[in-house]
Amino acid sequence: QKEVEQNSGPLSVPEGAIASLNCTYSDRGSQSFFWYRQYSGKSPELIMSIYSNGDKEDGRFTAQLNKASQYVSLLIRDSQPSDSATYLCAVKEMRFGAGTRLTVKP
Amino acid sequence: SQTIHQWPATLVQPVGSPLSLECTVEGTSNPNLYWYRQAAGRGLQLLFYSVGIGQISSEVPQNLSASRPQDRQFILSSKKLLLSDSGFYLCAWSTGTGAEQYFGPGTRLTVT
Repeated sequence: QKEVEQNSGPLSVPEGAIASLNCTYSDRGSQSFFWYRQYSGKSPELIMSIYSNGDKEDGRFTAQLNKASQYVSLLIRDSQPSDSATYLCAVKEMRFGAGTRLTVKP
Repeated sequence: SQTIHQWPATLVQPVGSPLSLECTVEGTSNPNLYWYRQAAGRGLQLLFYSVGIGQISSEVPQNLSASRPQDRQFILSSKKLLLSDSGFYLCAWSTGTGAEQYFGPGTRLTVT
C-alpha cells in the first residue's frame, strides 16, 4: 500500500462548478497534511495546510481532514480555468501522492 | 521575506558525467531543507532532507549524495549520472518537521 494515494484523474469540471480532490494515507499517526498546486513545468506551490479534524476554509478552497478514516480532501468552489493544474497531497510534509490532474472547462 | 534559489534551471548531461545542483535559501535561519525528484508525469520522490549543517538523511541513496556545507545551502551531487537520473529536481525548505514546505523553481535534468 502506498503511503499517500490520490486518484490520478484527469478530473474535468465545468467552470463555476465545485471540484473535489481526495487523498488517503496509510500512517495513522500522521499529524500534518498539505495541498499543493503544480502547473505544468513549474514547481509546486502551497495551497493549504491542515492539522486538525474538520474543515479549513481559505477563499474558494476548503480542506477537509478525517483522521479516523485516514483521508484528506480539497474542495475548490467556483472553479476557474486558471485552477487547471495537478494537485498534490502531502502527508507529514515529506510524503507526496502522485497528484490529481484537474481541468476546468470554460 | 524568504526566497529559495536553485540553479541551473535546465541541464543536459551525458551518462557517466558528474552532477552538482545547488540550492540556497534567503530570509530564514536553520531551515529544514529537502531534495526531491519528479519523473515526467509522476509525483515527488524524496531524495534527501537535512535538519541542520552537516546533517543529511537519505531516502534513496543510489548514486546520489547531498551535502549541507552552510546553514542555507544544500547541494545535490552525483559522481556518475545514469539515464534514470533524468527528471525535475526540486529543492524545498520548511521551518521544521511537520511544517509547510516551500519549493524552489527546480532544475530540469536530462541525461543523454
